[in-house]
Amino acid sequence: KAGVTQTPRYLIKTRGQQVTLSCSPISGHRSVSWYQQTPGQGLQFLFEYFSETQRNKGNFPGRFSGRQFSNSRSEMNVSTLELGDSALYLCASSVGQLPGGANVLTFGAGSRLTVL
Amino acid sequence: AQTVTQSQPEMSVQEAETVTLSCTYDTSESNYYLFWYKQPPSRQMILVIRQEAYKQQNATENRFSVNFQKAAKSFSLKISDSQLGDTAMYFCAFIFGTSYGKLTFGQGTILTVHP
Repeated sequence: KAGVTQTPRYLIKTRGQQVTLSCSPISGHRSVSWYQQTPGQGLQFLFEYFSETQRNKGNFPGRFSGRQFSNSRSEMNVSTLELGDSALYLCASSVGQLPGGANVLTFGAGSRLTVL
Repeated sequence: AQTVTQSQPEMSVQEAETVTLSCTYDTSESNYYLFWYKQPPSRQMILVIRQEAYKQQNATENRFSVNFQKAAKSFSLKISDSQLGDTAMYFCAFIFGTSYGKLTFGQGTILTVHP
């Protein structure tokens, strides 16, 4: 059974550009969550999608957006990149039908974004 | 607001010995789930163990076990017979209430297992 796949694994952008990251969940999983990991702020929740609908959202500016497709694959987009957006972006998938922690999240390997 | 605190930034242990990682939290929620994840140098976040707050029995998973003290809001991870492959950053994390997909993480503890 394939795991959670994130692409690209590494990318470098310059300030002001935008970036799109992709996440393919485990087959049968309908929920995808996104996290940002930085040395200073640690792991922070961005948003969660289930059946193409955003169900939960963290405290990030509107430059961070996401979407989910009918096959449960998800993308997140960051517009007008800032130096502080340099981070490891992790996505996680779960079955998603149960509320709270009854759903076990399985993580991908992450996309490492560097903003110059 | 919910907070999760790991007060040990770094720990080390000899191979085959036992080590305990600490985690405390604060929440007014009565329903929550507790997790320990490990993140090795490869950066892949891996679930180690999960505990439901409503269960009094502590979870165990092979060499990994937790000590869940609900009244003290403490959730520690014990690793027995430590192995070199246990070297990683360990995060305690929670999902509070009915929140979907939102893990709240502690700051992490870097564990190094020495041969």
